[in-house]
Amino acid sequence: DSGVTQTPKHLITATGQRVTLRCSPRSGDLSVYWYQQSLDQGLQFLIQYYNGEERAKGNILERFSAQQFPDLHSELNLSSLELGDSALYFCASSAGGTGIRDTQYFGPGTRLTVL
Amino acid sequence: AQSVTQPDIHITVSEGASLELRCNYSYGATPYLFWYVQSPGQGLQLLLKYFSGDTLVQGIKGFEAEFKRSQSSFNLRKPSVHWSDAAEYFCAVGAGTGNQFYFGTGTSLTVIP
Repeated sequence: DSGVTQTPKHLITATGQRVTLRCSPRSGDLSVYWYQQSLDQGLQFLIQYYNGEERAKGNILERFSAQQFPDLHSELNLSSLELGDSALYFCASSAGGTGIRDTQYFGPGTRLTVL
Repeated sequence: AQSVTQPDIHITVSEGASLELRCNYSYGATPYLFWYVQSPGQGLQLLLKYFSGDTLVQGIKGFEAEFKRSQSSFNLRKPSVHWSDAAEYFCAVGAGTGNQFYFGTGTSLTVIP
C-alpha cells in the first residue's frame, strides 16, 4: 500500500459526460501527479501540482483540468468525454516539488470506461 | 525530444533463471532514469533510480540496473527470478526541465515454474 488513495476505483459513463476523479496523497506529500494509461498511448504524464499550484504540464487535453485543494487532495476533471478517454488514470504523490528527483508513490488507479 | 524504448514487449523466463530487461533512452543531457513495476491491478512501484554517480544501481526486490551512457541504455537485471516477479515493467526518463516523466511502453514478464 503506497498510501495514495484514489476514488472511485471504477467509473462507467457515456460519451459527452463529465466526471471527476479524486486523489488523496500520502501524508506529508505536497506534490500530486496525474497520469493516463491506455492501450494505444501507454503511460502518459498529464499534470503536476505542488502545494496547490500547477508545477508541470504534460499531454493533458484542453477538455481535462485538475486542481489541488488546500488540504492537498487533488481532483482531475474530464469533460466532453470520448470513447478514446477510456483508460486507467493514476495519481502519484511525492514529498517535494522537483518532480524528477522525488520518488513518486502511485495510487491504485481509477479505471474509466466511456461507452 | 525525450523518448524511451523498451524493445521487448513480452518476456518469458523460468523461475530461478536470470533476467535482463532492456531500456534505451533518447535525451540530450544527463538523464534521470527509473524502473517501475506494475503488478496486475496495482499502481506503479519504484524499483530503482539513477541520477548520477555509480552506474550500477541497486534497487528493491533484488533488482539492479546499469547505466551505459555510450549505449544510451539502462537495462534492468535480476540474477534469479521468482514467480512473484511476474508483472509489467516500465522504464522511464525524467526530463531536466518541466518535471516530466516519459515512460516506455512496458515489458510484460511471465515466469514459468
